[in-house]
Formats: sequence, C-alpha cells, structure tokens
Amino acid sequence: EADIYQTPRYLVIGTGKKITLECSQTMGHDKMYWYQQDPGMELHLIHYSYGVNSTEKGDLSSESTVSRIRTEHFPLTLESARPSHTSQYLCASSELGGGKNIQYFGAGTRLSVL
Amino acid sequence: LAKTTQPISMDSYEGQEVNITCSHNNIATNDYITWYQQFPSQGPRFIIQGYKTKVTNEVASLFIPADRKSSTLSLPRVSLSDTAVYYCLVGDWSKAAGNKLTFGGGTRVLVKP
Repeated sequence: EADIYQTPRYLVIGTGKKITLECSQTMGHDKMYWYQQDPGMELHLIHYSYGVNSTEKGDLSSESTVSRIRTEHFPLTLESARPSHTSQYLCASSELGGGKNIQYFGAGTRLSVL
Repeated sequence: LAKTTQPISMDSYEGQEVNITCSHNNIATNDYITWYQQFPSQGPRFIIQGYKTKVTNEVASLFIPADRKSSTLSLPRVSLSDTAVYYCLVGDWSKAAGNKLTFGGGTRVLVKP
C-alpha cells in the first residue's frame, strides 16, 4: 500500500475561513498532485509539483494555492473558503522520470463550506 | 494526452468475468495505458499498466491489440467488493509536459449478488 496521508479526512467550515489541507508522503516521490472531485464526477487536476520549490497550475482553475518546501509535504491552502469550494480534494504522488508515472493517491479530504 | 472513451456503466454478477474496453484512437508511440480503480470516498488505486500485447497481475489482465487503439481490462471472477469506478488513462509521462493524468468519466461497474 502507498504511504500517502491526507488530513483532515472531513472538514466543515464557515464561509471566509482560511484552511489548509495537508498531504504527506513517505515514499520519497518527487512529483505530487492535487485533484478536485465532486461526488460522482470526474477528477480534475488543480495543482502539481515536480519537486521542492516547484508548483504548477493544473487543468482546472482553482482559487487555492500550494507550496512545496519539503519533498514529502504538499499542502493546499484556501485563503477565504466559499460554498463553491465544497468538494473532495485528493492528493497523489509519483516518481519523477520514466514513462510509467504510476500515481499513488491519499484517501482524500471532503470539504464542506457553509 | 490521448483522449479515451469507455462505457459509462456495466453491470455484472458475482463470479463472472468483467471486460471493460477503452478506445484511444490517437494513442502516440510513447504512450502507456494505465487503469485505476476508485471506490466511493477514496482516492483512485493503480490496477495495471501496459504498452502492448497482454499484461497480467494478481488483480487483472490487460489486453492491448497490435494497433494499440484500444485496450481491454479484464477482471476475473468478480465479487461484490469489485463494485467501483474504473478509469482508463493513456499518456507519455516521460515528458515534462505530459506528467499529468487526465481522468475521464470512468466506467461504473456494479457487481450484483
């Protein structure tokens, strides 16, 4: 099993609050990703990173921001949460290089903004 | 990334073999074919990956014809716990610009008793 952890698993907060979703992996993977998924819908890539100090925006525009100060840690921050941010957020990681790029996912954080 | 097309849903019964076919007509020479499984409220989990012909592991088999324009994931003797969404992805992830995964809608497999 993959060693990638997300906290919290569930979060209910009020509008306007600042939140940080945590993601950590112990596999030493260089690449990390954040996806957003609404119930029963597709996954959409919102951020990714190739390594420390590298962050890129994904295919789906998001008001969230990410940072990569340490290899194992890739937190996602929302400065001012809104009800439209209600969704499931999934973090993943993979090795850098090679053509296979198998991604390992965390269990996700289900966010509800009231 | 090559666009993929797979059925929206499939029903099966316990003990049967389930075959899910994915079309990827625009697959490029360096592209790999990867399948993921996702249970409700969980992240996707890697099942199998292949480039050509047949690949088998303890969970599934992947059949890829010579033209590589489609692939079939085969789940032998499914159980109720195999009820999930199955995603087919195609891409050359050796390129920096291609190091992303694009998930389509997937195929919802329902295994009935």
